[in-house]
Amino acid sequence: GAVVSQHPSWVICKSGTSVKIECRSLDFQATTMFWYRQFPKQSLMLMATSNEGSKATYEQGVEKDKFLINHASLTLSTLTVTSAHPEDSSFYICSASPGTGHEQYFGPGTRLTVT
Amino acid sequence: EDQVTQSPEALRLQEGESSSLNCSYTVSGLRGLFWYRQDPGKGPEFLFTLYSAGEEKEKERLKATLTKKESFLHITAPKPEDSATYLCAVPLGGGFKTIFGAGTRLFVKA
Repeated sequence: GAVVSQHPSWVICKSGTSVKIECRSLDFQATTMFWYRQFPKQSLMLMATSNEGSKATYEQGVEKDKFLINHASLTLSTLTVTSAHPEDSSFYICSASPGTGHEQYFGPGTRLTVT
Repeated sequence: EDQVTQSPEALRLQEGESSSLNCSYTVSGLRGLFWYRQDPGKGPEFLFTLYSAGEEKEKERLKATLTKKESFLHITAPKPEDSATYLCAVPLGGGFKTIFGAGTRLFVKA
């Protein structure tokens, strides 16, 4: 149980284009979903927290107009990187939690490369 | 300030050489502590949740323990396949946010 999928697993796009990443909880309803960014050999950096049907809460320094998050249902959240630039290249990981204070279950991650 | 600190940053062991990883935290009103394993290029895999001091949980060669100030992840007779980064995390009270430690990179040599 507690499986989270993420799609795509990797994507290459040209500078200036937008990319959408999907995160789904497959066998439980996720009260909250999280989006993280991870640089090589570094820990997870929380970008934003989203609850179904409400606006995402972004961490300080994360541009909400650049990283659009939509938590459409209790099993689906999407992250859209708008007008991507090479500095947005990174490993993006989503996670889902069944409730406040509960453990998070992570997706496999998406490797984004912007050329 | 709420903080989670893991040590050591990296640990190199020979196969069969048991050791422990440390996670110390300063969080008011602890509501749980989580351990994860992360392989390169993959998302973290959930291992354990500990809720109260004195609690222990085991899974194969791993055993997690919790005190009022820290948690240990004991690895008994590790194998090369145990090589990974181990992360601990603590949920903050009153909200959804969880803070993660920087992780311990474990290398087990055959």
